[in-house]
Amino acid sequence: QVQLQQSGAELAKPGSSVKISCKASGYTFTSYYISWIKQTTGQGLEYIGYINTGSGGTNYNEKFKGKATLTVDKSSSTAFMQLSSLTPDDSAVYYCARGSNSGPFAYWGQGTLVTVSS
Amino acid sequence: DVVMTQTPPSLSVAIGQSVSISCKSSQSLVYSDGKTYLHWLLQSSGRSPKRLIYQVSNLDSGVPDRFSGTGSQKDFTLKISRVEAKDLGVYYCAQTTHFPPTFGAGTKLELK
Repeated sequence: QVQLQQSGAELAKPGSSVKISCKASGYTFTSYYISWIKQTTGQGLEYIGYINTGSGGTNYNEKFKGKATLTVDKSSSTAFMQLSSLTPDDSAVYYCARGSNSGPFAYWGQGTLVTVSS
Repeated sequence: DVVMTQTPPSLSVAIGQSVSISCKSSQSLVYSDGKTYLHWLLQSSGRSPKRLIYQVSNLDSGVPDRFSGTGSQKDFTLKISRVEAKDLGVYYCAQTTHFPPTFGAGTKLELK
């Protein structure tokens, strides 16, 4: 079965960076893009961008350009998102998600909590 | 970006009742291929979102037919008939017609 297993919670200091992972299993990794979504109590669900897991090509929501960097390691079927120059506003749960032949957001990781605090 | 407006923000329901949730978009969600990429998700407490309906009215595998989605252009509705306890949580509409995808603010369905 399709699974997206995300890395554990992160506590980071303002100005630093974090890199969270999303390990895929149960399907051919390069057959589907991986999307990343941010969830906060205040802003709800926000779409960060997606990565073409075959080519490594990316497309970012303008809001997250310069903040998020999406990469993949095909050898381990893992997608990564690096968040840089962290501020308290980056504190959130971050999800990776994959679509299906019927459309987007069909499968989700369990979420990674990122807390930015000094 | 396309703004998705969901109403009501919350609903109190008794088991067995039927409810409807509205989702309105700031732009038409009809894509150039003629399809409408409006989807509904449910996030149960402490869990990741789960997609229930894709492209307005298509139920995902395993979703009971008590759920139905209707609508067109900019106006969409999710109806849940005979609510069960496992239906409780926050419902989101999401559009993927326009980039970036955007989500409604959610409708919290809770027990009366």
